[in-house]
Amino acid sequence: EDQVTQSPEALRLQEGESSSLNCSYTVSGLRGLFWYRQDPGKGPEFLFTLYSAGEEKEKERLKATLTKKESFLHITAPKPEDSATYLCAVKWVQDTGRRALTFGSGTRLQVQP
Amino acid sequence: DGGITQSPKYLFRKEGQNVTLSCEQNLNHDAMYWYRQDPGQGLRLIYYSQIVNDFQKGDIAEGYSVSREKKESFPLTVTSAQKNPTAFYLCASSPGTDTGELFFGEGSRLTVL
Repeated sequence: EDQVTQSPEALRLQEGESSSLNCSYTVSGLRGLFWYRQDPGKGPEFLFTLYSAGEEKEKERLKATLTKKESFLHITAPKPEDSATYLCAVKWVQDTGRRALTFGSGTRLQVQP
Repeated sequence: DGGITQSPKYLFRKEGQNVTLSCEQNLNHDAMYWYRQDPGQGLRLIYYSQIVNDFQKGDIAEGYSVSREKKESFPLTVTSAQKNPTAFYLCASSPGTDTGELFFGEGSRLTVL
């Protein structure tokens, strides 16, 4: 069973068409949820950290929210330069007591002009 | 500029050959990581290091080796024992390991011919 699931796998939007990306997780002992942006052929770039349900973070056209078992990345009036793959990652405590960071497989966003 | 430098960006290898990927950081971070990224999958942790001269296996360490002789450097060797080495390899660093806010390099794409 996947511990971190992102949906949809791919999303195509028209410029200005707002939408949301989802990251759901089944792990327990959450120690933080992290959003990254990755451009093709590049390394991920950190966007946001969320620690507790109800928390929200914003940056330009992006807003990240967190509930008990999922996070949303809301994209308001997107522009073509927002096209990228968005990754989420969850920091959690394993049975061994070790803290692990588990990544989802990402949502590939394409914004057409 | 502070950051992480990975080299080479592209690498081709014949089956049976070992290759070493370079990772250098000038962020003065204690922790460094190596991840592997395959299409449709989340980033998977190969090895990580919390301090010089110490490193730990991640989730998929078989067929790989690392060293951490200097704080700035964390090279990864892909050995001939790695059954499916063709992938995109990402090096990252962070001030400590108790965070999910990682700084990534640009990646190295390894292709086995």
